[in-house]
Amino acid sequence: DADVTQTPRNRITKTGKRIMLECSQTKGHDRMYWYRQDPGLGLRLIYYSFDVKDINKGEISDGYSVSRQAQAKFSLSLESAIPNQTALYFCATSDPGQLTGELFFGEGSRLTVL
Amino acid sequence: AQSVAQPEDQVNVAEGNPLTVKCTYSVSGNPYLFWYVQYPNRGLQFLLKYITGDNLVKGSYGFEAEFNKSQTSFHLKKPSALVSDSALYFCAVRDITGGYQKVTFGTGTKLQVIP
Repeated sequence: DADVTQTPRNRITKTGKRIMLECSQTKGHDRMYWYRQDPGLGLRLIYYSFDVKDINKGEISDGYSVSRQAQAKFSLSLESAIPNQTALYFCATSDPGQLTGELFFGEGSRLTVL
Repeated sequence: AQSVAQPEDQVNVAEGNPLTVKCTYSVSGNPYLFWYVQYPNRGLQFLLKYITGDNLVKGSYGFEAEFNKSQTSFHLKKPSALVSDSALYFCAVRDITGGYQKVTFGTGTKLQVIP
């Protein structure tokens, strides 16, 4: 089983619909992140959370919200999806005990907004 | 503000030949540098990192990277490319100054290894 699991893996929706992408992890890491990947733009940070009571905006948080339901669960919501939110979304974790620690990514959730 | 540049969108190399994927960075302090690889329909996987010490860093799958402070570069290398190395490669930098240590990713370089 994957250490960082994202659901759904693929989703097609219509403009204006509410969408939730879910992420769960078994790595025991406190830090969790949501990134968005667009061709030619690399990865951009949407939100991050350092523990259950800590939520922070990233570079491109407009139009998104998050919920940290437990140490292992971090969900991303699009309240009213729009076509330019069509992208590949990644959840990631890191170990705060390692100052220089790398990120551990899920398999990604491909979202298409029509 | 920190930044990462991967000047090549795509690199083509013949199987068995050495490969280089280029990365340059800009940070205000000392950088922590990373390479990640993304295979089709998969998430990013950590390859290697430079923190301090030896400028030549060895990582997974036979990859290595050379840190050059004067040129602010961190190029990924492999002596002999495999077809299975074909993937999207991302360079990333973490600025260790300040509270939240933001990670900035490059735009990615697609490596195509030709049989």
